[in-house]
Amino acid sequence: GNSVTQMEGPVTLSEEAFLTINCTYTATGYPSLFWYVQYPGEGLQLLLKATKADDKGSNKGFEATYRKETTSFHLEKGSVQVSDSAVYFCALSEGSSYKLIFGSGTRLLVRP
Amino acid sequence: NAGVTQTPKFRVLKTGQSMTLLCAQDMNHEYMYWYRQDPGMGLRLIHYSVGEGTTAKGEVPDGYNVSRLKKQNFLLGLESAAPSQTSVYFCASSPLIQETQYFGPGTRLLVL
Repeated sequence: GNSVTQMEGPVTLSEEAFLTINCTYTATGYPSLFWYVQYPGEGLQLLLKATKADDKGSNKGFEATYRKETTSFHLEKGSVQVSDSAVYFCALSEGSSYKLIFGSGTRLLVRP
Repeated sequence: NAGVTQTPKFRVLKTGQSMTLLCAQDMNHEYMYWYRQDPGMGLRLIHYSVGEGTTAKGEVPDGYNVSRLKKQNFLLGLESAAPSQTSVYFCASSPLIQETQYFGPGTRLLVL
């Protein structure tokens, strides 16, 4: 079945450092791919998405490119801030009911 | 526009007790979902609904039942709670032909 694999956390960075969180997937067909973010004590919010190969999703300085050849959707940001501290989930959309398959999440801690 | 709301926010149950979690959305979305979030496992789909009066099983449906009698509400029931159902439960909704899901703030359930 379809699945999503994310790098283990936590990822600890200093402010203004470069961020990469790896995500790879296994899927039949051509699913849409997502990054969701969960701030402490809150629900998940969509961060960005890409619906087809080579699409780049971007939002709030974060970017991810849908790479079909490597089945990856890595999240990047050039300069992280303390306010980016959160848990980041990679996900793919499955089927006509748009069910989401989530990775296990990666916690990011940004130090001042 | 409140988006997706969940009640209660927190609940403690004893093993064998029953309860119902309520999810409500005011965005006129067709699709609704219930997930559970456990440490290191991301979010897993319990049940979902593609429209009023319809429900379907997700990845981990055992021990749960759902109902969607009104389009805006999606109820998750635990008939006989077990400690393994201690988790954070998230409801989400999405409109037709759009894969982005909108999440509620979550319900933290502790089963003793």
